[in-house]
Amino acid sequence: EDKVVQSPLSLVVHEGDTVTLNCSYEVTNFRSLLWYKQEKKAPTFLFMLTSSGIEKKSGRLSSILDKKELFSILNITATQTGDSAVYLCVSLRYSGGGADGLTFGKGTHLIIQP
Amino acid sequence: DTAVSQTPKYLVTQMGNDKSIKCEQNLGHDTMYWYKQDSKKFLKIMFSYNNKELIINETVPNRFSPKSPDKAHLNLHINSLELGDSAVYFCASSRDRNTEAFFGQGTRLTVV
Repeated sequence: EDKVVQSPLSLVVHEGDTVTLNCSYEVTNFRSLLWYKQEKKAPTFLFMLTSSGIEKKSGRLSSILDKKELFSILNITATQTGDSAVYLCVSLRYSGGGADGLTFGKGTHLIIQP
Repeated sequence: DTAVSQTPKYLVTQMGNDKSIKCEQNLGHDTMYWYKQDSKKFLKIMFSYNNKELIINETVPNRFSPKSPDKAHLNLHINSLELGDSAVYFCASSRDRNTEAFFGQGTRLTVV
């Protein structure tokens, strides 16, 4: 069974701090690793990582994938209160074989204190 | 414009009833999904539907059935609702089964 494990499960920091969220995976026919941010409602897409060692950036957020060690990290620099959310790590396997592609981790609940 | 929309947003119903949740996407995507998010906020796939191929998570009770009248819609029907069905249900879509999914706003189902 595919597995995605995130750590820490919760994290409280002060505004302006830098945080690193971790994700490890064990997935058959792995294709990509995705990060989502979930505030009160729907998860919103952040990054999709398919190649190892290539950092993706969007503003203060960045993420990288290590396919040899089977993990990914999501970095947030100069955190703001609006970054408070649950961050979901999701593995995507190649379709086919009768199983759906997406497996979600349990999420890291990030709280940014003013 | 809402990309993936679900209705209703909230649904309160009694045990034993039959209910439906509608989902529509205007992204032109080929694949649609239903997810259940439990009280611990864990998201789990229920169904995926791609080009008339339905993939069912084997843990989903057969009281749950998806219906797709066309590529842009995937509705969720639930028969004989039980207390344990209370959760937030998310619809999502993706261009294909190998790309990122976009989620609707969720439907909070409460069975009393």
